[in-house]
Amino acid sequence: DTGVSQNPRHKITKRGQNVTFRCDPISEHNRLYWYRQTLGQGPEFLTYFQNEAQLEKSRLLSDRFSAERPKGSFSTLEIQRTEQGDSAMYLCASSSDDRPPTYEQYFGPGTRLTVT
Amino acid sequence: AQSVTQLDSHVSVSEGTPVLLRCNYSSSYSPSLFWYVQHPNKGLQLLLKYTSAATLVKGINGFEAEFKKSETSFHLTKPSAHMSDAAEYFCVVSDRDDKIIFGKGTRLHILP
Repeated sequence: DTGVSQNPRHKITKRGQNVTFRCDPISEHNRLYWYRQTLGQGPEFLTYFQNEAQLEKSRLLSDRFSAERPKGSFSTLEIQRTEQGDSAMYLCASSSDDRPPTYEQYFGPGTRLTVT
Repeated sequence: AQSVTQLDSHVSVSEGTPVLLRCNYSSSYSPSLFWYVQHPNKGLQLLLKYTSAATLVKGINGFEAEFKKSETSFHLTKPSAHMSDAAEYFCVVSDRDDKIIFGKGTRLHILP
């Protein structure tokens, strides 16, 4: 069990540029989640996948944001035309459809985005 | 709708004294409740979880929490604080749809 990994760990970009982040979940986990965490706040839910299907998207996920999980394994989160307000830590988590379900999510270290 | 309220944004205790971090929740269903810890520049780590079994839940590093349905609370405690406990702690509620909601966090300061 290598845990959830995220790349890159840090990203600095200029306003208006596009960025893409990658998340590799724990291998046997079929659920994958994206969160955003700003300074002094708890993580806020963005979206989640069950296998390759994107089942829910938060209203926080504007049209500039898109997430994919094409083969039900790793996922990417893309932000187009970045704005300074997008500066945050982007967290990925994964969980398994255990029976009984525990809804326990395992988090990656996050990708810190700074938009200048 | 579910929500979680962490009653203190900062808590300071002296090393060796008890820790109490307070959390109240609201949920339409029987919730699952968690406490996560986040050390600086590190990922979120699960401390403990409540999933409708025993109401007193023991976690890692000597932490425990008690689920009190009548008070809608899930406070985190530790008998004796250690310097390494200094971190941000998040109370989390999850309903049957597997969507989790984080509280705003409580920063725990340990005084020498």
